[in-house]
Amino acid sequence: DAGVTQSPTHLIKTRGQQVTLRCSPISGHKSVSWYQQVLGQGPQFIFQYYEKEERGRGNFPDRFSARQFPNYSSELNVNALLLGDSALYLCASSLGREKTQYFGPGTRLLVL
Amino acid sequence: KNQVEQSPQSLIILEGKNCTLQCNYTVSPFSNLRWYKQDTGRGPVSLTIMTFSENTKSNGRYTATLDADTKQSSLHITASQLSDSASYICVVSAAGTASKLTFGTGTRLQVTL
Repeated sequence: DAGVTQSPTHLIKTRGQQVTLRCSPISGHKSVSWYQQVLGQGPQFIFQYYEKEERGRGNFPDRFSARQFPNYSSELNVNALLLGDSALYLCASSLGREKTQYFGPGTRLLVL
Repeated sequence: KNQVEQSPQSLIILEGKNCTLQCNYTVSPFSNLRWYKQDTGRGPVSLTIMTFSENTKSNGRYTATLDADTKQSSLHITASQLSDSASYICVVSAAGTASKLTFGTGTRLQVTL
């Protein structure tokens, strides 16, 4: 079985632009969570979606938004990019909200 | 405020040696504690998960311990290999939340010849 997949793997944007990151969960997993990991730090929780509804939100500005589709895949959108948004964005899926999360390889975003 | 602190921040050991990584947390109410291994630029991979009633759990050469009274956990790596070089992240989940996990900043382990 395929694990969690994310696209693109790398992305370069300039300040003020918008970006969309995509995540496909493990087959059968209904929960998807998004994390931001700045170099040298642990991941920071952004969102959790379960059954297509937002179930949790971290301490991130409204420039960050996400959604989950009927097939449980998910997109993370970031508007008005700032230099500080440069990070590895991780997606994790799980069977349920309290189950072990399995991480994808991440999307590395660089904002210039 | 829920926090997870790990020590040491980084560690260099010779191949074949053992090492122990530490994790202290203040997450409450406690649900479970996980140890993840993260290779550079890759997503974390789960090594162990422990609930309140579990004191120890092993996964091959990795053995995790949990003391829920002192809110401490350790990850012991036996007979280290070059492929063990990675960051090891302690992650604690609070009960009754929307699965918001609190991550430590990790211990960066380098195994050398």
